[in-house]
Amino acid sequence: AQTVTQSQPEMSVQEAETVTLSCTYDTSESNYYLFWYKQPPSRQMILVIRQEAYKQQNATENRFSVNFQKAAKSFSLKISDSQLGDTAMYFCAFMKLTSGSRLTFGEGTQLTVNP
Amino acid sequence: EPEVTQTPSHQVTQMGQEVILRCVPISNHLYFYWYRQILGQKVEFLVSFYNNEISEKSEIFDDQFSVERPDGSNFTLKIRSTKLEDSAMYFCASRGGLRNGRARYEQYFGPGTRLTVT
Repeated sequence: AQTVTQSQPEMSVQEAETVTLSCTYDTSESNYYLFWYKQPPSRQMILVIRQEAYKQQNATENRFSVNFQKAAKSFSLKISDSQLGDTAMYFCAFMKLTSGSRLTFGEGTQLTVNP
Repeated sequence: EPEVTQTPSHQVTQMGQEVILRCVPISNHLYFYWYRQILGQKVEFLVSFYNNEISEKSEIFDDQFSVERPDGSNFTLKIRSTKLEDSAMYFCASRGGLRNGRARYEQYFGPGTRLTVT
């Protein structure tokens, strides 16, 4: 079974600064996807970024980028130029490429952006 | 932009009652999911559904739960006899099939239904 670990329950950052959220996972699979989801106080789950395991290049989406280290099974999220609207719970998620393709989530990191 | 919708946004029910949570996935998507999140905890997978049948289910998804796609647009989760511990946020998600010949694996979530069992 896959496990996803987010070791930082809470983090804070000043507006306009950069912050990195950590995620590690455990799997015996060689091909899979990794995702970061954002959950603001509304509790909506919003897809932030994805990474295919077979791609060596790190994914980027505007101010969001990842540092994917496959051998270390690490998948961190970097948020540049943090904005107040980035305040949310962030979940790292793993997906094995099977017919069901369930997402396995970490425990989440509560990020607060301070003005 | 297309989105997943869920109704109701909040459902209060008494223990032992049946509830049906409804979802309308994104229209051209082929794979459908239910997850739940107990307050303060992580999101947990319940079931995945493809081609009108369950493709995978978790240990949480016992005989009290069932899913159905009664028509071309709705996807429902039924809890037959609710228990206090079923109180949670229930999320529906969907993902597409192929785009430009490549499989799409991103799952898009609805806003959730908050279920309160008293």
